[in-house]
Amino acid sequence: NAGVTQTPKFQVLKTGQSMTLQCAQDMNHEYMSWYRQDPGMGLRLIHYSVGAGITDQGEVPNGYNVSRSTTEDFPLRLLSAAPSQTSVYFCASSYSGVARNEQFFGPGTRLTVL
Amino acid sequence: GEDVEQSLFLSVREGDSSVINCTYTDSSSTYLYWYKQEPGAGLQLLTYIFSNMDMKQDQRLTVLLNKKDKHLSLRIADTQTGDSAIYFCAESHAPISGNTGKLIFGQGTTLQVKP
Repeated sequence: NAGVTQTPKFQVLKTGQSMTLQCAQDMNHEYMSWYRQDPGMGLRLIHYSVGAGITDQGEVPNGYNVSRSTTEDFPLRLLSAAPSQTSVYFCASSYSGVARNEQFFGPGTRLTVL
Repeated sequence: GEDVEQSLFLSVREGDSSVINCTYTDSSSTYLYWYKQEPGAGLQLLTYIFSNMDMKQDQRLTVLLNKKDKHLSLRIADTQTGDSAIYFCAESHAPISGNTGKLIFGQGTTLQVKP
């Protein structure tokens, strides 16, 4: 299994540009999440999904869109990039069948918005 | 709302014990977790504790939970240079019946191990 994969690894955008961060998992996990990591602030949940066709907002959803058309993929869209969105983005997935929520993380995408 | 707090930095000497502390506000948390992040990598689950336990030991790791004070700690015995990383405390406020797929993380504690 490849686990959770994210592309690209690095990206530089100009203010106002849009882009999609890709996330895929091959573990047949129902749950998938997007986090951003900023120094001194830990990981903050952007959006999450409990299954195909179902998404919900996390702590910091503004400026981001998600969709979940398949179990495997959970792309994160930046609609109009802003410097405040410079961050490291992590995608995670977990299995819903147990109460313990062990999340498996991808390697991250480092995004810089100029 | 839910909140998880950690101190940001801890420095220890190789061979000493490390204790990383965490406080949380959600009294309905069912599981509490410790994740480890090595430089340039994603997070990996290190250990977890169910809320009806007060201690869990796993080799060099000991997790203590004080549910009354909403305080969680991770003790690493005989700390090695390979333990240098960022350690995140997290809680899930899922009901007993199942998890919601949602975790709330603390800010992370950077552990520096000096030789």
